[in-house]
Formats: sequence, structure tokens, C-alpha cells
Amino acid sequence: EVQLLESGGGLVQPGESLRLSCAASGFTFSNSAMSWVRQAPGKGLEWVSANGGSGGSTYYADSVKGRFTISRDNSKNTVYLQMKSLRAEDTAVYYCAKHGYGSGNNWFDPWGQGTLVTVSS
Amino acid sequence: EVVMTQSPATLSVSPGERATLSCRASQSISSDLAWYQQKPGQAPRLLIYGASTRATGIPARFSGSGSGTEFTLTISSLQSEDFAVYYCQQYDSWPPLTFGGGTKVEIK
Repeated sequence: EVQLLESGGGLVQPGESLRLSCAASGFTFSNSAMSWVRQAPGKGLEWVSANGGSGGSTYYADSVKGRFTISRDNSKNTVYLQMKSLRAEDTAVYYCAKHGYGSGNNWFDPWGQGTLVTVSS
Repeated sequence: EVVMTQSPATLSVSPGERATLSCRASQSISSDLAWYQQKPGQAPRLLIYGASTRATGIPARFSGSGSGTEFTLTISSLQSEDFAVYYCQQYDSWPPLTFGGGTKVEIK
């Protein structure tokens, strides 16, 4: 069974940093592209960042570019999201999600259960 | 950026009735469209990819259609477990990968 388990969320003050982790199991992680998608309270879904299977290609939403960094450790089957200079508008549940198999199949299946990040003073 | 627009924002349907949800792209995205279902307190679940291919384990009452800029998700006979929020997502032109704002299907 494919499983994704996020961790690392919590309450931080504006300007602080936080690192999220997503541990994967049940599939060949090194071959799979992964993304982070967030959902602010009561709002819709917003794609944040993606990382290719080999880890060489990374992509970011404009809203987080220069502040967030996605990375992965294929030996640990884990993808990370390092978040710096956090703002109140970054408050959201952060989901990690696996891309579909194969090039171009950039839908998300499955999703992790999410981890809540709250940025507040 | 490809902007995805879903309508209506809320759809009130009686159990057993058909529900038709729409998603429009600001430019042609071929058939590179996915649909997700999200229930309160849960992560989204993939329903449809490639505009019309059901994901593994998705009941046949869910169907997707369309190409280019106009897409539809149809739930043929609503069951109690289908009342949820539905999102479309394009993956034709990215970054960014973009979602529609969602359609809430509620009990009439």
C-alpha cells in the first residue's frame, strides 16, 4: 500500500523557519516525482513545490519562491520542505502528494494526511 | 499561468439524483485534467485523470468528460458518501500546477 506521512508542522512566529518531512512507503520513491500542496483554513488547494524523481528538477509557486526549498533523500524515502521567512499567509495544512507514474502524469495520487503550519505572533 | 474556474460554487442535490460539475481552463489544456474529492478533515482523493480515466477503486458512477478548455465531472446517482468538495487540476502547462476553486456538493 502506498503511504505518505507528513510531519514537522507547528506554530511559529512570522519570520521564523520550519522544515516539513514526508516519509513515503509502498512504491519506488526514487522514480517518483513529489509535490507539496497547501490548503489555508477554509480555502482551496494551492500547489507549492515539486521535485522530480531523481531530485534534479525543482519547481516552485511564485508565492514561495526564494523562501521555500524542496529536497529529497532517496535513501530515506523522504521529501522535505524547508520553509524560511514564514508569513501569516503561509498558514495552512501542508500535504505531500505523489505524482502519477511517467513523464507528464502530473496529477496527485495519493496524498498524505497533512500537517498544519500556523504562523502567528 | 493557467487559471481554472469551477462552477457552480455550491450544488444542492438530493440523494439518487445526478450531479454535473463544470471546470473551465483559461487556455487549452488538451486532456490534462484531474478531479479530486475532499471530505471535511480529510486529504483530497484522486477521482479522475486524463479528463476521463477513473482512478483505481473509483466507482463507475463518477465520470469525466471534456477536452481543451471545458470539462465536466458527472456523478450519476449521488450517494450519501459523495457529498463533499470537488476540485479540478490542470497539469498541461506548469509550473505552476493549478487548481480550480472547488465545488461543494451538498444535500438538498
